[in-house]
Amino acid sequence: GENVEQHPSTLSVQEGDSAVIKCTYSDSASNYFPWYKQELGKGPQLIIDIRSNVGEKKDQRIAVTLNKTAKHFSLHITETQPEDSAVYFCAAKIGGAGSQFYFGTGTSLTVIP
Amino acid sequence: NAGVTQTPKFQVLKTGQSMTLQCAQDMNHNSMYWYRQDPGMGLRLIYYSASEGTTDKGEVPNGYNVSRLNKREFSLRLESAAPSQTSVYFCASKGQGETFGFFGSGTQLSVL
Repeated sequence: GENVEQHPSTLSVQEGDSAVIKCTYSDSASNYFPWYKQELGKGPQLIIDIRSNVGEKKDQRIAVTLNKTAKHFSLHITETQPEDSAVYFCAAKIGGAGSQFYFGTGTSLTVIP
Repeated sequence: NAGVTQTPKFQVLKTGQSMTLQCAQDMNHNSMYWYRQDPGMGLRLIYYSASEGTTDKGEVPNGYNVSRLNKREFSLRLESAAPSQTSVYFCASKGQGETFGFFGSGTQLSVL
């Protein structure tokens, strides 16, 4: 199956700074890459996703970039705020509608006011 | 509110006991999933059901069974719980499109 690695495992930034989380994947057939935010005691919440035919996608302060050649994708959060503090997970999917999703091990982001 | 509903929210079992985790979605999604989440290991797929009437093993199926009771419901059963099954369990569902964004709020299970 797919192997998704995520770095760093913990990240602290000052409020207003940017945060970058990186993931690599092993299977070049992976074609869909979602990112999730998980707050304490809650389930993961989809925040942004990107498909393999797109290099970059933005949604307000959040952006995701994909480099298919290098098999890595990154989450960028700009102008961080304390409410961005959470655990972030990347994931990758191979194949069609009923396919499995493989998750990274998570990054605990702390935004210091 | 539309979404994925999991019960129970918390459970403590003794080694060897059995229990069933329930999951229901009201979004008419075809695919449903069960994950476990352990510290430092992210989310690992236990079983999934691509459509009503089908189930398949994920990465860590040993010690678990599932039932896709109908399109709405997908249950996870622990026949003889072991301490290694102490974890947080999440159910998720997905519709026809690519987007995979509907998770339940989780079940925290402790096996003593």
